[in-house]
Amino acid sequence: DVKVTQSSRYLVKRTGEKVFLECVQDMDHENMFWYRQDPGLGLRLIYFSYDVKMKEKGDIPEGYSVSREKKERFSLILESASTNQTSMYLCASSLYWGGFGTQTNEKLFFGSGTQLSVL
Amino acid sequence: TQLLEQSPQFLSIQEGENLTVYCNSSSVFSSLQWYRQEPGEGPVLLVTVVTGGEVKKLKRLTFQFGDARKDSSLHITAAQTGDTGLYLCAGMMDSSYKLIFGSGTRLLVRP
Repeated sequence: DVKVTQSSRYLVKRTGEKVFLECVQDMDHENMFWYRQDPGLGLRLIYFSYDVKMKEKGDIPEGYSVSREKKERFSLILESASTNQTSMYLCASSLYWGGFGTQTNEKLFFGSGTQLSVL
Repeated sequence: TQLLEQSPQFLSIQEGENLTVYCNSSSVFSSLQWYRQEPGEGPVLLVTVVTGGEVKKLKRLTFQFGDARKDSSLHITAAQTGDTGLYLCAGMMDSSYKLIFGSGTRLLVRP
């Protein structure tokens, strides 16, 4: 099965620090995504990438940037961490985009998440 | 304002009881998915529905997509402790390539 690996399970950073969250997938998927998950708000899309070096802003890109130098790796960067960026960050990958049907691999495959605390 | 509203937000029931979780919107979706997320893990897909009025069954779980493709429900029969988790609906709109997630329903099934 597809494996999406996030480099850290827990991270604690100081306000103003530059933070890198790394995500690697092993199934040659074109599409990769970064979401943040906050209680009562569900998952909100920060950025996604549909190819190497290609990126698109999601719904809440402010304060974040991304890098996709290799197909399997998608990094989320917090240039100057702030306390309101304390959250669970989830990386996902997908073979298909532009609409899901009912085939078993037409879905998002998620990593286990990184719980980031900014103090 | 959440585009996809889920209700209830929290649900605590006894093992063996039945329950229904709702996912509602004023927008039309081309497809809708249900994911379950267990503590310490990412969401995992349960089902995708694409046709208005569609009903899908996955063992004790029954999923329904509304006729107008604006809402969906998840019904669990004879809940088990292993059903405990966060249930998320996610819709894909015709006009967008983004998957929009609801706020989630946190289910606790007590033994």
